[in-house]
Amino acid sequence: DAKTTQPNSMESNEEEPVHLPCNHSTISGTDYIHWYRQLPSQGPEYVIHGLTSNVNNRMASLAIAEDRKSSTLILHRATLRDAAVYYCILRGFGNEKLTFGTGTRLTIIP
Amino acid sequence: KAGVTQTPRYLIKTRGQQVTLSCSPISGHRSVSWYQQTPGQGLQFLFEYFSETQRNKGNFPGRFSGRQFSNSRSEMNVSTLELGDSALYLCASTPRGRTFTDTQYFGPGTRLTVL
Repeated sequence: DAKTTQPNSMESNEEEPVHLPCNHSTISGTDYIHWYRQLPSQGPEYVIHGLTSNVNNRMASLAIAEDRKSSTLILHRATLRDAAVYYCILRGFGNEKLTFGTGTRLTIIP
Repeated sequence: KAGVTQTPRYLIKTRGQQVTLSCSPISGHRSVSWYQQTPGQGLQFLFEYFSETQRNKGNFPGRFSGRQFSNSRSEMNVSTLELGDSALYLCASTPRGRTFTDTQYFGPGTRLTVL
């Protein structure tokens, strides 16, 4: 399975933007980049996904490097409810299942 | 639309016993996946069922098994429980078949404690 590398933890102030990085240097051409997050005491929830172009939805934005070897999840204005573990996952041919790494634990400072 | 439901939410068993966990996917979803989450190993994929057939399997011993019914509901079974099986077991459903863009919708999990 293609691997992703994320920082173990990050902190951000409330109401400020947050940039969560993910490295995936072995990504293949068919791999989609997915982000999920897990809030305390809950199951993971989908955040966003993309292939090559940057993507936006109501929760976040996903910026994908031109060579696709890295990506950044952007929370435009962090709230306390965004405190969670964020997982960056690759899915593609032969790798359809979700393979979770250790993720990034995001702490929001009031 | 109701979300993914899992029963029971909490369970306490003793070593050597067996346990069955249940998952009801979102209505219309045909694929159900199971995951184990522990503090030490994180979230690990157990298996996936689609149209009553196991389609993917993770690296777990044969004590872990599952099945899916015609209504897409799924059960997983763990036999001869060990202390290390204490974990949060998560179920997730997806709408369609084999695709890289399907969103997985997770249930709240079943917290299993083995004494």
